[in-house]
Amino acid sequence: DTGVSQNPRHKITKRGQNVTFRCDPISEHNRLYWYRQTLGQGPEFLTYFQNEAQLEKSRLLSDRFSAERPKGSFSTLEIQRTEQGDSAMYLCASSYENQPQHFGDGTRLSIL
Amino acid sequence: GQNIDQPTEMTATEGAIVQINCTYQTSGFNGLFWYQQHAGEAPTFLSYNVLDGLEEKGRFSSFLSRSKGYSYLLLKELQMKDSASYLCAVREDDYKLSFGAGTTVTVRA
Repeated sequence: DTGVSQNPRHKITKRGQNVTFRCDPISEHNRLYWYRQTLGQGPEFLTYFQNEAQLEKSRLLSDRFSAERPKGSFSTLEIQRTEQGDSAMYLCASSYENQPQHFGDGTRLSIL
Repeated sequence: GQNIDQPTEMTATEGAIVQINCTYQTSGFNGLFWYQQHAGEAPTFLSYNVLDGLEEKGRFSSFLSRSKGYSYLLLKELQMKDSASYLCAVREDDYKLSFGAGTTVTVRA
């Protein structure tokens, strides 16, 4: 049973650069979610896909953020022109319909 | 908006029982979830309640009272490996989880 897979696990980049993260959900799951988690806090919802359709984007997701799930399987989250405040753990989760969400290990982003 | 409160830290002895409380005020309710998260790792699903009452899964139990906006997670027969952060999350609609800040549980020998 392969769980949710995210890569890279860690990303260090300079302020102003673009970064892209990938998430591979559990294969039979049709829903995919992105969350962001900062130290000492719980995850915060960013966006959600049902198959390939992006159905909600949080107000936390500025215009610099974009997410795709082109074939309804893996998803990518891109951050353009990174800022210091983007430093966080980016978590991906998946579920079948409204069953409990299962999370990946996350991508830790550090902005220099 | 939503307000989900849980204690920041708890300490207990190996073999003991610990109860982590969670209170919530949300605009909608479609389930309350508990996750365990070890440092640097993914949150792992533990339990969820949609209806009032107690759900038992091995050493872990979760309770919900919707009228009181209250839940707790009960960890029995504590083991050292149970040292982790425990996250309470409310699903207000069909999909989105809103999390509390987490409770760090430290198990001492």
